[in-house]
Amino acid sequence: GAGVSQSPRYKVAKRGQDVALRCDPISGHVSLFWYQQALGQGPEFLTYFQNEAQLDKSGLPSDRFFAERPEGSVSTLKIQRTQQEDSAVYLCASSLALGLTGINTEAFFGQGTRLTVV
Amino acid sequence: AQSVTQLDSHVSVSEGTPVLLRCNYSSSYSPSLFWYVQHPNKGLQLLLKYTSAATLVKGINGFEAEFKKSETSFHLTKPSAHMSDAAEYFCVVSDRGRDDKIIFGKGTRLHILP
Repeated sequence: GAGVSQSPRYKVAKRGQDVALRCDPISGHVSLFWYQQALGQGPEFLTYFQNEAQLDKSGLPSDRFFAERPEGSVSTLKIQRTQQEDSAVYLCASSLALGLTGINTEAFFGQGTRLTVV
Repeated sequence: AQSVTQLDSHVSVSEGTPVLLRCNYSSSYSPSLFWYVQHPNKGLQLLLKYTSAATLVKGINGFEAEFKKSETSFHLTKPSAHMSDAAEYFCVVSDRGRDDKIIFGKGTRLHILP
């Protein structure tokens, strides 16, 4: 597709349930980011991939959060044993990063997945 | 490590008057700076970006921003506000030459008064 695609758009989970959120980045984009945006807040960094390598996962709030991008394209953010405080919009973005120079072009964002834990 | 501070959580202006949304950044390297807009229930949209070319950057919808290294600022302006400008605005920083991690400010909600 032309843009970053996230699925599902909306997810309601019972507390304690595991969820998996999918991100399809723009084809050929090297960098992929996951953000968590709580209601009324700015996006908070969760994790970052260059191709299949997870270079930074410092923003993952607990070991219940896990992200992968095994083939350097589609990424999945998994949350185990969901808690109410996990309720947020999860945003995925991709960018055409130019190798080690780290020159940014633009990060294109998906519409997000709104997770509600009840 | 890079960081970004948006000085105002809410800004209210009357339609037709100038807009100023303030942003200060901290960066260990040579930063790239961006402004994104988020309308209710919509995705994030890039307004403009600075990547070491001209310090005055023009974006979409009449917005512009000026990179001032001495002040570590990247304030967003628009000469005349329109009702459709009401939204949340995010200042974003990324360290070039280090990695491509991008960091958001907490956002400024712009209210347009009729």
